[in-house]
Amino acid sequence: GENVEQHPSTLSVQEGDSAVIKCTYSDSASNYFPWYKQELGKGPQLIIDIRSNVGEKKDQRIAVTLNKTAKHFSLHITETQPEDSAVYFCAASSEEYGNKLVFGAGTILRVKS
Amino acid sequence: SAVISQKPSRDICQRGTSLTIQCQVDSQVTMMFWYRQQPGQSLTLIATANQGSEATYESGFVIDKFPISRPNLTFSTLTVSNMSPEDSSIYLCSARSGPWETQYFGPGTRLLVL
Repeated sequence: GENVEQHPSTLSVQEGDSAVIKCTYSDSASNYFPWYKQELGKGPQLIIDIRSNVGEKKDQRIAVTLNKTAKHFSLHITETQPEDSAVYFCAASSEEYGNKLVFGAGTILRVKS
Repeated sequence: SAVISQKPSRDICQRGTSLTIQCQVDSQVTMMFWYRQQPGQSLTLIATANQGSEATYESGFVIDKFPISRPNLTFSTLTVSNMSPEDSSIYLCSARSGPWETQYFGPGTRLLVL
């Protein structure tokens, strides 16, 4: 089955700097890659997603890139703000396994002001 | 997008008892799921809640421990049976919605078993 590895496990950045979180996946059939943000005491919130027919997607300060050949995808947050501090999870899914999301271990992002 | 609510938001229970968690979605959805998130950990899929039929459980999870109901396209329940302290976790309801079947999550139920 699919296996998703996520790095780093914790990331501290200064306010205004950029943050990058990387995930690798094992199943070449995976075709959908969402990113979730989970704030303390809340459920995961979808922030951006990408499908395998696209190499990059942007939404304001957030972008996701996908390299299908290398089987990795990354979340990029520019001009970080204190409210970006949260746990971020990547996930991957494939039609072969019923589109079930397989999650990475999570990255704790701390934005220092 | 789908808006998902869960009840209760948190509970403290005694070992050996059972707790039923309710999940309500604001629109009809095809797929609903239940996840467990242990403290400081990632999300683990417990089961897919199937409307009108038995849930589909992932490896390591059984119906006797986690019975699930889904009577219609907007509502599901998860029961945590015969609880032990190891069941202390966040339980999350999730659903797919929209033309792309994007997956959304509820706020979670925080369970502490003493």
